[in-house]
Amino acid sequence: DAGVIQSPRHEVTEMGQEVTLRCKPISGHDYLFWYRQTMMRGLELLIYFNNNVPIDDSGMPEDRFSAKMPNASFSTLKIQPSEPRDSAVYFCASSFLNHGEGGPQETQYFGPGTRLLVL
Amino acid sequence: SQELEQSPQSLIVQEGKNLTINCTSSKTLYGLYWYKQKYGEGLIFLMMLQKGGEEKSHEKITAKLDEKKQQSSLHITASQPSHAGIYLCGAVDRGGTSYGKLTFGQGTILTVHP
Repeated sequence: DAGVIQSPRHEVTEMGQEVTLRCKPISGHDYLFWYRQTMMRGLELLIYFNNNVPIDDSGMPEDRFSAKMPNASFSTLKIQPSEPRDSAVYFCASSFLNHGEGGPQETQYFGPGTRLLVL
Repeated sequence: SQELEQSPQSLIVQEGKNLTINCTSSKTLYGLYWYKQKYGEGLIFLMMLQKGGEEKSHEKITAKLDEKKQQSSLHITASQPSHAGIYLCGAVDRGGTSYGKLTFGQGTILTVHP
């Protein structure tokens, strides 16, 4: 498998513009996560989906952020309008909940990230 | 909610030296995940621990989960420049219904000087 695929890898935009980040999870995985990473706040979970349904979006900063998962192989994270404080690396991750003998295992596999700079 | 604290926050060692990174939880750990991140790249899964006292190794990296399942350590033997990066621990929060969700520590930045 190619792993989690994210696009674009880098995005530079101006304040006020719409930004759309894309993610293709690993085939067969039923969980998809969107994270944001900054030096100040570290790795923050924004939202996650299970079987294409949003489960927890409490980490989404504000209404300017929205995420969709129209099918099992594609998700988008949209920022509209973008602001300089949104500059960060955005990661997508996917996992498969496996009930092993030691208990549930939910190893997440991360994409390479999208480095966003809002000027 | 689960909180994870990693120590130290950063570490600089000479190549060949051993080192240990700790991850302490505010709650019982039901699953503890170790990841490594190189600058500009995504997180790479290293190991996962579930049982108290469990220990796993991969090449020169060994991770342990203590018997009380509230602390994990990551030990690197004879460090190499290729070990440099950010190490993050992540844990499952079984207190709620958040299957699939991990909480991460703030990360430990490791620098290995040749």
